[in-house]
Parts: sequence; structure tokens; C-alpha cells
Amino acid sequence: EPEVTQTPSHQVTQMGQEVILRCVPISNHLYFYWYRQILGQKVEFLVSFYNNEISEKSEIFDDQFSVERPDGSNFTLKIRSTKLEDSAMYFCATGRGRMNTEAFFGQGTRLTVV
Amino acid sequence: AQKITQTQPGMFVQEKEAVTLDCTYDTSDQSYGLFWYKQPSSGEMIFLIYQGSYDEQNATEGRYSLNFQKARKSANLVISASQLGDSAMYFCAMREEEETTDSWGKLQFGAGTQVVVTP
Repeated sequence: EPEVTQTPSHQVTQMGQEVILRCVPISNHLYFYWYRQILGQKVEFLVSFYNNEISEKSEIFDDQFSVERPDGSNFTLKIRSTKLEDSAMYFCATGRGRMNTEAFFGQGTRLTVV
Repeated sequence: AQKITQTQPGMFVQEKEAVTLDCTYDTSDQSYGLFWYKQPSSGEMIFLIYQGSYDEQNATEGRYSLNFQKARKSANLVISASQLGDSAMYFCAMREEEETTDSWGKLQFGAGTQVVVTP
């Protein structure tokens, strides 16, 4: 069964450092999303991406965050200068269309900022 | 305002019993989708089941079924014949699907219900 792959599974970084989280979507999927889940809290939408541009972003997705699809396959989330409060599980999700009856998530990247 | 409400923070259920997880939602859209996800302790989000607002029949996927009551805006998940491997956090999510809504296309999640299946 096709799946969304995220790397790394766990990243520890020092406050102020840049991190890049990577996602390989299912091959025929066109819509990409990043979500965040702070430990013990609900899953929150960060950003959606289609046709090489951001479709929508939440208020969490400030200037420290950026997304791109540099090589047509990987979909990345960059945090330029990490803060302690960025520690969370980050999920990539992809879909064939915006209104698919399924929305597949990757296994997540657990980011720990120290 | 909360779009998705899951009122049960935690539940215990005996193996082989059925369990119902509550989910109510709030939207003014006529077209929307409801999703349930399972999150085991390892952290991944596993898609379980989808119900569209225009679907006349309740969705079923194996041991999972969705009790969709549109007038009451509820989308409860029923897990039949619980297994020890069903122990996990369960999240209800909604996607608003009318393009006039700012939030269309993205999933909005509830706070989750922790299910523990006991032998």
C-alpha cells in the first residue's frame, strides 16, 4: 500500500538552529499539508501546498516557517530559527485532490528543541 | 470556537466488547467530510474511516463504523469486538468543503479520546 514517508523520525536541535523536515508524498498526490501536534495536545494545521505554492496557512505558520518542493518529489518544511515551543510532532499529509475521501499522514517527525 | 468536540478524554473497554467514541462538530457548510484517525503510542496517524455529509449510509470499514447523525451534528465512531491492539488515542476531524469557507480543504481535529482495551 502506498504511503507517505517522513524523515527524520526524530530530530533534536539547539534553539536558534535551522531544521528541515522532509516528506515524500504518494506519487500521484498533488496536495500537501503540514500539521503539528504539541505533546498531549490536538493536531493543528500549519500549511497547505498545491501547484508549487502555498494555498493556505495558519497563524502558527509565521515567517520562521517555509515550505517547498525542491525536486518535484520531496516536500519540505523549514524552521529557520527554532524555539523551544516548536518542539512537537510534525506530520506531513498528502492527497490526490483537495476533497479526497482519504487523507494519508506520514509517520511523523518528532522535533525536540533544547 | 471549537469545530470538533470529543467529550471523552479517556475510556476503558474490555477485549471483545464494542466501544463508542463520541464526536460532535460545528459547521455551517452543507458539504463537509468527517474523518477518524487512530494514533498509537508510537505516534503515527492512521486513517480509519471517512463520512461525507451527503452520504446517506453510515460508513463502515471492517470493525469500524461511523454513526452519522447529521441533524445532531454527531459522528461517533464504533469499534466492534475490541482488540488489545486497539489501545490508542482516537481523533475525530472535519474538513469543510465549500470553497467560500476560508478553512476549506484542511482537517480540523478534536482533542482526542484515549482508549485502553483490557483483557
